[in-house]
Amino acid sequence: GENVEQHPSTLSVQEGDSAVIKCTYSDSASNYFPWYKQELGKGPQLIIDIRSNVGEKKDQRIAVTLNKTAKHFSLHITETQPEDSAVYFCAATSSGYSTLTFGKGTMLLVSP
Amino acid sequence: GAVVSQHPSWVICKSGTSVKIECRSLDFQATTMFWYRQFPKQSLMLMATSNEGSKATYEQGVEKDKFLINHASLTLSTLTVTSAHPEDSSFYICSARPRASYEQYFGPGTRLTVT
Repeated sequence: GENVEQHPSTLSVQEGDSAVIKCTYSDSASNYFPWYKQELGKGPQLIIDIRSNVGEKKDQRIAVTLNKTAKHFSLHITETQPEDSAVYFCAATSSGYSTLTFGKGTMLLVSP
Repeated sequence: GAVVSQHPSWVICKSGTSVKIECRSLDFQATTMFWYRQFPKQSLMLMATSNEGSKATYEQGVEKDKFLINHASLTLSTLTVTSAHPEDSSFYICSARPRASYEQYFGPGTRLTVT
């Protein structure tokens, strides 16, 4: 089955800095890669996703890049703000209509 | 759009009793719903997948007789924890996937405490 590794487990940055979270996956057939933000005591929120036919996708301060050859994808957050502090999960699926395999999460702390 | 609700948001029950958690997609029809369990500071653990009108598919190690899932309509799925025990205390989260879509949208979660 699919295996997703996520790094780092914690990331501390100063407000205004950029943050990068990286994930690798094992199944070369995986074709859908979403990123979720989870605040304490809440459910995960889909913040951006990418499909295997695209190398990069951007939405305001958030971007995701995908390298199919290396089987890794990354979340980039620019101009971080304290409200970006949360746990971020990457996920992958070998079929867009199948179940998601999640990484273990990255706790992002943005200091004012 | 793509809002998923859960009810209740938290529940405390006594050991041996059953608890039902509802998951609703408010503004879309969900052909598939998923139930997850999450322990503190850990990732999401998929418990089961349910498709409207058919039996749920449980992940290995999840007791289907203990965690009853019903996906009665395109907007509602329920999880019933039967004969709950303290070790069932956890954060339960559902997600819903619209028809012909890859995206999964999560509910806010239900905190279950069994005393």
